[in-house]
Amino acid sequence: GQQLNQSPQSMFIQEGEDVSMNCTSSSIFNTWLWYKQDPGEGPVLLIALYKAGELTSNGRLTAQFGITRKDSFLNISASIPCDVGIYFCAGQGGANSKLTFGKGITLSVRP
Amino acid sequence: NAGVTQTPKFRILKIGQSMTLQCTQDMNHNYMYWYRQDPGMGLKLIYYSVGAGITDKGEVPNGYNVSRSTTEDFPLRLELAAPSQTSVYFCASRADRGYQPQHFGDGTRLSIL
Repeated sequence: GQQLNQSPQSMFIQEGEDVSMNCTSSSIFNTWLWYKQDPGEGPVLLIALYKAGELTSNGRLTAQFGITRKDSFLNISASIPCDVGIYFCAGQGGANSKLTFGKGITLSVRP
Repeated sequence: NAGVTQTPKFRILKIGQSMTLQCTQDMNHNYMYWYRQDPGMGLKLIYYSVGAGITDKGEVPNGYNVSRSTTEDFPLRLELAAPSQTSVYFCASRADRGYQPQHFGDGTRLSIL
């Protein structure tokens, strides 16, 4: 089946630093989504990307839909302690297709 | 705004017991999903539904059953709980117009002992 690759599994950064996360696939997707999960809660949508090459920002977050439609990245600028959590990428093929999730990256921010 | 509501939040079961995890949404979404999340493994789809009366298997359906008698509710049933079903379970829903993102509940943490 389809798989999304997110690595590394964990990232440790200093407060104030920028961080970039990649998500790659062997299959083409028509939609890329980035979710964040705080401890004890469900994933919350951060950014949705619907067009190849699209670059979208949400506050300190910026995400891009790769031109090949097989990858996406998420940037977090000027990290703060509240950025701690698990970041998942997800891809969707057709409009009614199921989502395929990456395994997530656990982000730790040192004050 | 309630969104997607899951109950209970925590549960401990003995091997062989049965239980139903409840999920309800108030957004009038036709599409609903059940996932399980194991450490370091991301989210695996158990079952999904595209509308009342319609359900279908996901990636890991064995040991689970679902029903969808109303648009709002999508319960997940474990008939004979096994230790391998210890996990965190998430319900999600989305609108069915085009590429709409899924919205998740806060999860049910289930331990089978």
